[in-house]
Amino acid sequence: KQEVTQIPAALSVPEGENLVLNCSFTDSAIYNLQWFRQDPGKGLTSLLLIQSSQREQTSGRLNASLDKSSGRSTLYIAASQPGDSATYLCAVTGGDDKIIFGKGTRLHILP
Amino acid sequence: DTAVSQTPKYLVTQMGNDKSIKCEQNLGHDTMYWYKQDSKKFLKIMFSYNNKELIINETVPNRFSPKSPDKAHLNLHINSLELGDSAVYFCASSPYGGANYGYTFGSGTRLTVV
Repeated sequence: KQEVTQIPAALSVPEGENLVLNCSFTDSAIYNLQWFRQDPGKGLTSLLLIQSSQREQTSGRLNASLDKSSGRSTLYIAASQPGDSATYLCAVTGGDDKIIFGKGTRLHILP
Repeated sequence: DTAVSQTPKYLVTQMGNDKSIKCEQNLGHDTMYWYKQDSKKFLKIMFSYNNKELIINETVPNRFSPKSPDKAHLNLHINSLELGDSAVYFCASSPYGGANYGYTFGSGTRLTVV
């Protein structure tokens, strides 16, 4: 049974710092891994989608990597801003089209 | 705007009532889903439909019944609401299966049963 773990559960960093959020999954037989952002009381915004054959994806200040064999992904945020404060969710999809989510990392950027 | 839209955004109701949540997507996707986010913020799939056909039906009480009148709509009807049904319900869509193209989520419906 696929399990997704995100560490740390919460993180506070000063504005301007680079940071890394970690995600691990137990079953490497995934089709893709997707990073989402969730703001309080809001929906999920897709940030990056990495197919199982890919190693990384980049969008602006965000870079996500995928090491399928070791069951790990990282989300790198460069030059953090207060607007980056949110909960970041890692999610993997297998052949059954079910998304398995981690419990998220609650990120707070200190002005 | 192209999006996944859910209504209502908030729903407060008494135990025992029957309520519906509506979802519409104008992305031209074939597959739609319902996910539940519990009080601990854990998201879990409930149902998926592909072009009006039920594909995924997780272990969900029979009081929950999805209905898809067409591939752009997936509604969730809940009978005899219980306190434990309080959660945020998210609708999502994808092109035929999200395995290759990922998923687009709605903004959620916060259901509170009192």
